[in-house]
Amino acid sequence: TQLLEQSPQFLSIQEGENLTVYCNSSSVFSSLQWYRQEPGEGPVLLVTVVTGGEVKKLKRLTFQFGDARKDSSLHITAAQTGDTGLYLCAGANYGGSQGNLIFGKGTKLSVKP
Amino acid sequence: GAGVSQSPSNKVTEKGKDVELRCDPISGHTALYWYRQSLGQGLEFLIYFQGNSAPDKSGLPSDRFSAERTGGSVSTLTIQRTQQEDSAVYLCASSFGRLSSYNEQFFGPGTRLTVL
Repeated sequence: TQLLEQSPQFLSIQEGENLTVYCNSSSVFSSLQWYRQEPGEGPVLLVTVVTGGEVKKLKRLTFQFGDARKDSSLHITAAQTGDTGLYLCAGANYGGSQGNLIFGKGTKLSVKP
Repeated sequence: GAGVSQSPSNKVTEKGKDVELRCDPISGHTALYWYRQSLGQGLEFLIYFQGNSAPDKSGLPSDRFSAERTGGSVSTLTIQRTQQEDSAVYLCASSFGRLSSYNEQFFGPGTRLTVL
């Protein structure tokens, strides 16, 4: 069974601080995805990383896929109150009949003004 | 609407009753997924439909859970003889084609199920 360990589970920081969320597994994934979820809504995809060592930037958010495609990180620079939410990583394997994403338990981020 | 819709948004039921949760995927999306999210947790895969292929039911936690997808569109998740541990948010997602790096899953807002 493939598992994704996400850390930290909770993170409370002041506006302007930097933070990193980690997503680790002992298994190789075809891709890693990062989602953000607001209360009462479904997760919304932020980014998909596919190639080992890949780095993608989305404004103040930087996503990295490990060389071995087993781990990923999300770094937020100069956090804003609008970044508050639940961040989820999800691993995918393509091919065959399996169609599901494997999710980490999420990181609940609170950015205080 | 343009997105995935789910109904009802909230459902409160008594232990032992059956419930049906509905998902309307984005028009034209051939793949449909059901997930379960317990309070503050990540998503747990339940079942996956892709076109006319046999569904991947590997995530269903017990035989009390079943799902069908009629006409390749609307899906219904049925939970029989509900238990308190079934309380969770049930999320539906759809994508244009089978899972791949370029087929994004779009999620609905979920149905919050509370079993008393």
